[in-house]
Amino acid sequence: AQSVTQPDIHITVSEGASLELRCNYSYGATPYLFWYVQSPGQGLQLLLKYFSGDTLVQGIKGFEAEFKRSQSSFNLRKPSVHWSDAAEYFCAVGARSGGYNKLIFGAGTRLAVHP
Amino acid sequence: GAGVSQSPSNKVTEKGKDVELRCDPISGHTALYWYRQSLGQGLEFLIYFQGNSAPDKSGLPSDRFSAERTGGSVSTLTIQRTQQEDSAVYLCASSLGDVQPQHFGDGTRLSIL
Repeated sequence: AQSVTQPDIHITVSEGASLELRCNYSYGATPYLFWYVQSPGQGLQLLLKYFSGDTLVQGIKGFEAEFKRSQSSFNLRKPSVHWSDAAEYFCAVGARSGGYNKLIFGAGTRLAVHP
Repeated sequence: GAGVSQSPSNKVTEKGKDVELRCDPISGHTALYWYRQSLGQGLEFLIYFQGNSAPDKSGLPSDRFSAERTGGSVSTLTIQRTQQEDSAVYLCASSLGDVQPQHFGDGTRLSIL
């Protein structure tokens, strides 16, 4: 069965520090992978996606993620965190079913940023 | 341009009542999805619509839940005889096609008293 694991429930970093959020997936075929961010009271905003090709993908707000097939991982990174990055981050795999992507989400990682 | 619009943003109702949640997708998006976000279960897929095809209802948790999409645009999720475990945020998403990225609305926060 398809699944997504985000091992870190909460992460706290200082403003300006680097960030890496971990994501591991279980999926039988080549996955479509996504990172979404959710601020309080709002919906999910797409940060970046991996469909195929270059395994290092760039997203909005200075985020990037690297697909590593051998490790079944799709970790999200940012070199320098801003206070406005405090939010909850969700990794998702697009489970192909009947020709479309049913998103399977991880449990999320809540990021706090210290000034 | 306008994003996915959901209404109401908040809904409080008594146990046993029926509720209707509305989703207006991005113009031109043919695929529409409903998800539920709750503390205990995280984000769960509920239902998927694509054009005039039969919807994929495999994620609906019980027969109290139903959804329709009229004219290939606006969708309504209906929960009958609400229970306290239905309390959650209901998120709608749309995409240009079957495998395109999904764009989410801000959700409807449903509270069952």
